[in-house]
Amino acid sequence: DAGVIQSPRHEVTEMGQEVTLRCKPISGHNSLFWYRQTMMRGLELLIYFNNNVPIDDSGMPEDRFSAKMPNASFSTLKIQPSEPRDSAVYFCASSPAWGVVGAKNIQYFGAGTRLSVL
Amino acid sequence: AQSVTQPDIHITVSEGASLELRCNYSYGATPYLFWYVQSPGQGLQLLLKYFSGDTLVQGIKGFEAEFKRSQSSFNLRKPSVHWSDAAEYFCAVGDPRAGNNRKLIWGLGTSLAVNP
Repeated sequence: DAGVIQSPRHEVTEMGQEVTLRCKPISGHNSLFWYRQTMMRGLELLIYFNNNVPIDDSGMPEDRFSAKMPNASFSTLKIQPSEPRDSAVYFCASSPAWGVVGAKNIQYFGAGTRLSVL
Repeated sequence: AQSVTQPDIHITVSEGASLELRCNYSYGATPYLFWYVQSPGQGLQLLLKYFSGDTLVQGIKGFEAEFKRSQSSFNLRKPSVHWSDAAEYFCAVGDPRAGNNRKLIWGLGTSLAVNP
């Protein structure tokens, strides 16, 4: 399996621009998570989906952030407008369905997108 | 409140020395327990996990962890550290009850440096 695929790996943009991060989960997984990692705040869960439905978005910083999962194989995280404080590494992770033998909340991470907002 | 504490922000060991990274949790019941490793510029990779049964679990790269219910701890150990083990290590807990709560609660991580 190819694992969780995130694109782009690096994104440099200017303040005020729209940024879209993309994620392709592992085929067959039914949960998807978006995280943000910074030196100051560590690893923060932004939002997660079960079966393409957002379950918990309490970690989304503000209305500038939005996430969608139109189908089981694709998700986006959008920031509009972007600000310098959004600079971070954004990770996507996926998890198999609960009933899968040995699954039990194991999350598989992508390589991340390093975002720099100038 | 549910939480995970990794008391050591940064640890430095010499190559070949033994290693123990600490993890304590606060949870209503015995949770599922995980250790992940993050190498520089990479995503997080599962090292090992505890669900139930034998409290000493083996993982990849020669790591092991021991669940101690009385201490609410899940410490990670390695008998002999290699330079390639230099990375960030994260402890996490998950809800053992089936259902929609798929979130993991994460510690802040321990950064491991290895001296040659």
